[in-house]
Amino acid sequence: SQTIHQWPATLVQPVGSPLSLECTVEGTSNPNLYWYRQAAGRGLQLLFYSVGIGQISSEVPQNLSASRPQDRQFILSSKKLLLSDSGFYLCAWSGVYNEQFFGPGTRLTVL
Amino acid sequence: GEDVEQSLFLSVREGDSSVINCTYTDSSSTYLYWYKQEPGAGLQLLTYIFSNMDMKQDQRLTVLLNKKDKHLSLRIADTQTGDSAIYFCAESKSGNTPLVFGKGTRLSVIA
Repeated sequence: SQTIHQWPATLVQPVGSPLSLECTVEGTSNPNLYWYRQAAGRGLQLLFYSVGIGQISSEVPQNLSASRPQDRQFILSSKKLLLSDSGFYLCAWSGVYNEQFFGPGTRLTVL
Repeated sequence: GEDVEQSLFLSVREGDSSVINCTYTDSSSTYLYWYKQEPGAGLQLLTYIFSNMDMKQDQRLTVLLNKKDKHLSLRIADTQTGDSAIYFCAESKSGNTPLVFGKGTRLSVIA
């Protein structure tokens, strides 16, 4: 069966520090992968999605970047964090009916 | 306006039925989905319905789709305290494009 992992689970970082969040998927090949941010426990904001290795689509201009160095690995990065980058970051992959399966999320607090 | 709209809050008594409503705007949407998010967790796929179906039932969950009115609903029978969560409606517009999510309905179950 397929599983999706995210780490770390929680992170507290100072303003101006770098960021690297990792997402990996097991049990499937060539999945579409997604990064979302959720603020204040409500709506989802799509940040990036990828349909293959090295292929990244950015949905909103921001302080973040994404990379897909391997088929089942998706990384979210920042060179310098802002206070507004705080939130709950969710990774997902999509199945045959375009349904998305989400990871457990990373809670990021920027101080 | 928003592509997918949901009411923000719903409160029901334990044992009653809950009905969460959603409207979408794209008549070409192929699949529609319901997700559940518990505090501090990722989104869990509850069910999905193909656009040529009117109804889908899975144990305590019933999904109704009115394609003419672009209205989707999720009925939870015999609502339990464990059903308290945020419920998200989402639509798949075409192929491998990212899902469009509503802002979520917070369901509170009163014992």
